[in-house]
Amino acid sequence: GQQLNQSPQSMFIQEGEDVSMNCTSSSIFNTWLWYKQDPGEGPVLLIALYKAGELTSNGRLTAQFGITRKDSFLNISASIPSDVGIYFCAGLGETSGSRLTFGEGTQLTVNP
Amino acid sequence: ETGVTQSPTHLIKTRGQQVTLRCSSQSGHNTVSWYQQALGQGPQFIFQYYREEENGRGNFPPRFSGLQFPNYSSELNVNALELDDSALYLCASTRDRGWYGYTFGSGTRLTVV
Repeated sequence: GQQLNQSPQSMFIQEGEDVSMNCTSSSIFNTWLWYKQDPGEGPVLLIALYKAGELTSNGRLTAQFGITRKDSFLNISASIPSDVGIYFCAGLGETSGSRLTFGEGTQLTVNP
Repeated sequence: ETGVTQSPTHLIKTRGQQVTLRCSSQSGHNTVSWYQQALGQGPQFIFQYYREEENGRGNFPPRFSGLQFPNYSSELNVNALELDDSALYLCASTRDRGWYGYTFGSGTRLTVV
């Protein structure tokens, strides 16, 4: 079953606001990934993190790999309506190969 | 590249029936993984196939089985369907088991009644 705890479950924000969501695990992960899923679509990779403490940006998105290797967060700055969707964290362990363990998702709603 | 295509997009089955879901991967993607995503949940790993052999399995019973073909297509078969099997089934393909090239399809929405 799921090993990742993702919070919050849902967020309702105004356009232009910043957003933060995080993910914690009881296990160590070697790689943390953040995906976005739009309705009727599969997840699309946003950011990948490979090293503890790493901070990586992709446009208005910034993600960090926690130093304990058991957590990660994703920030979205200056949100826009097309940011609406479900955001998932996912982790890869030492022996998991390409088998991803996903969090339960954060549903983001942006009001114009 | 043509992406990952799944069929059908939606399907309704009766409890106890069998179902086959199909996935067509990008050329050269010799690794395919299947995930089950229940409503309101994150995807859960079912199994992975690499060069036509099962290469890892999640916590799913044997009535979930798969096949991978040389033409980069694959199937997920589920026997003796249960109501809890209702979910979105996603396939993802990549080269040589590397996650970084993972491309997900749009999924098949299975409803068991």
